Amino acid sequence: GIQVEQSPPDLILQEGANSTLRCNFSDSVNNLQWFHQNPWGQLINLFYIPSGTKQNGRLSATTVATERYSLLYISSSQTTDSGVYFCAVGGDMRFGAGTRLTVKP
Amino acid sequence: NAGVTQTPKFRVLKTGQSMTLLCAQDMNHEYMYWYRQDPGMGLRLIHYSVGEGTTAKGEVPDGYNVSRLKKQNFLLGLESAAPSQTSVYFCASTLAFTDTQYFGPGTRLTVL
Repeated sequence: GIQVEQSPPDLILQEGANSTLRCNFSDSVNNLQWFHQNPWGQLINLFYIPSGTKQNGRLSATTVATERYSLLYISSSQTTDSGVYFCAVGGDMRFGAGTRLTVKP
Repeated sequence: NAGVTQTPKFRVLKTGQSMTLLCAQDMNHEYMYWYRQDPGMGLRLIHYSVGEGTTAKGEVPDGYNVSRLKKQNFLLGLESAAPSQTSVYFCASTLAFTDTQYFGPGTRLTVL
């Protein structure tokens, strides 16, 4: 199956800082999604982005399908951005291990 | 509009017992999914459905069965629970494959 690697595994920021999370995958895909899991376990689907760039408020994502990676940008981070960010790829939704983000006030 | 609900929220089983987890959505979504999440890991897809009466296997289907008799409900069954099935189970639904998935709050299952 497709291998999915996310980096960094952990990230600690001060409120207001920007960050970039990376998702590498091992094969061509027609599906790539980003998710956020808050510290209480609730999951939110952030983006469906198999290619190109999308923006939603302070979050944006870019997928370069030909080079098999996707980036999630978080600008002006807030404490509510804390949690784990996952990418998932492929028709059977293979998830990476996630990036744990902690934003300190 | 309750979104996606899961029943029960918590359950403890003994090895060999059976149970059914219920996922219900009130958004008229076609696609529904069952995932499991083990500590420190991402989600893994167990089974999914692309419409009423249809089901398909995901990455880790062994030991589970599913049914989608009504569009709004997706049931996940464990016929003979094993300790390896101790996990948090999430259900999700979406209107189409390219649309946002909406998740339930999860069911924490412990098999002793």
